[in-house]
Amino acid sequence: GAVVSQHPSRVICKSGTSVKIECRSLDFQATTMFWYRQFPKKSLMLMATSNEGSKATYEQGVEKDKFLINHASLTLSTLTVTSAHPEDSSFYICSATVFGESQETQYFGPGTRLLVL
Amino acid sequence: DAKTTQPPSMDCAEGRAANLPCNHSTISGNEYVYWYRQIHSQGPQYIIHGLKNNETNEMASLIITEDRKSSTLILPHATLRDTAVYYCIVSIYNQGGKLIFGQGTELSVKP
Repeated sequence: GAVVSQHPSRVICKSGTSVKIECRSLDFQATTMFWYRQFPKKSLMLMATSNEGSKATYEQGVEKDKFLINHASLTLSTLTVTSAHPEDSSFYICSATVFGESQETQYFGPGTRLLVL
Repeated sequence: DAKTTQPPSMDCAEGRAANLPCNHSTISGNEYVYWYRQIHSQGPQYIIHGLKNNETNEMASLIITEDRKSSTLILPHATLRDTAVYYCIVSIYNQGGKLIFGQGTELSVKP
């Protein structure tokens, strides 16, 4: 299947700082990427849809000024957690859609674990 | 909200078939059934998907009932490495792949 990478895999930061997470599609171009968040023992929660060359679409309850998304190229989307606080500590996962002839499949990155102290 | 219902947990003996059920009674005609799994602390892994016909690949088989209101994921010979949370998701094709995850089934494969 298609490969999606994330960087960094793990990050620890101080409260009040900003953290950028990168999501790359390695062997395909992705016009659409997605960002999810997952708390311990919980399921994945969709945060936003990232479209290349346009503004991201955020799910209800997700602060767009808090979680800045940029999808500047067909292989890279970034999520910046601004002014991070301990409650932002979570597992952040991105995904990208591969469109086939009559079907589409979403492939996920390995995730980034964020710890805000 | 997720449109699927799955048992929260299941056990399976190593080497036996694991049959994971999923109910999606409100599925619409243009929605596909997708299965993903998530091994602890990793991103979800795509397994298989289908519309109305049964599907098989190197990982698993997907059996969809004729009325499409339920499906079963079959892992033919479960191994310890198949221990994971399995998610059944319905999604409209050509909606940009938006997936809404439910709680999934935690499958424990035991020796």
